[in-house]
Amino acid sequence: AQSVTQPDIHITVSEGASLELRCNYSYGATPYLFWYVQSPGQGLQLLLKYFSGDTLVQGIKGFEAEFKRSQSSFNLRKPSVHWSDAAEYFCAVGKGGTSYGKLTFGQGTILTVHP
Amino acid sequence: DADVTQTPRNRITKTGKRIMLECSQTKGHDRMYWYRQDPGLGLRLIYYSFDVKDINKGEISDGYSVSRQAQAKFSLSLESAIPNQTALYFCATSDPGTGLSNEQFFGPGTRLTVL
Repeated sequence: AQSVTQPDIHITVSEGASLELRCNYSYGATPYLFWYVQSPGQGLQLLLKYFSGDTLVQGIKGFEAEFKRSQSSFNLRKPSVHWSDAAEYFCAVGKGGTSYGKLTFGQGTILTVHP
Repeated sequence: DADVTQTPRNRITKTGKRIMLECSQTKGHDRMYWYRQDPGLGLRLIYYSFDVKDINKGEISDGYSVSRQAQAKFSLSLESAIPNQTALYFCATSDPGTGLSNEQFFGPGTRLTVL
């Protein structure tokens, strides 16, 4: 079965600093990978996704993520964090085959941004 | 109007009561999902439905049941609520026909408290 690990439960950065949120996955085939963001009191919004092709993917709000097969990772990055980026971030892996369409989520990383 | 709506948004109930959470979508998607979110555990899949006649258990279906009344409606029931079902519940949809494999669209969530 596939699994997703987000090693950092809570990260604090200063506004304007760079950000990297880690995501490691376990899956036997080429995964479909996603990053979602959940702002307080809101549902989940898709930031970006990887299916195939270029391993560096660009998303909304200035985020990017890089798929590294050798490290089973899909880390999320942003060069300069804004106070409005404070939220919880979830990495997810999609499954193919008979379970096509299902997602497995990581535990989430809470991002706090200091002024 | 939101594409995926959930009612109620907040609910407080007592142990042993029957509760129904409702989800409606205007996206025209065949696939619908119910998740619960608990702090530090991410989102866990309760049930999913790939069409009106197809209902499947997720990883934590015990104590829950679902009904897919139509393509646009997917309800989650707690037959006899217990305190450890206190959580944030999300409905999601996806469309396998768009080529955006596994991408899911989320409702705003229902916060359920069982006393």
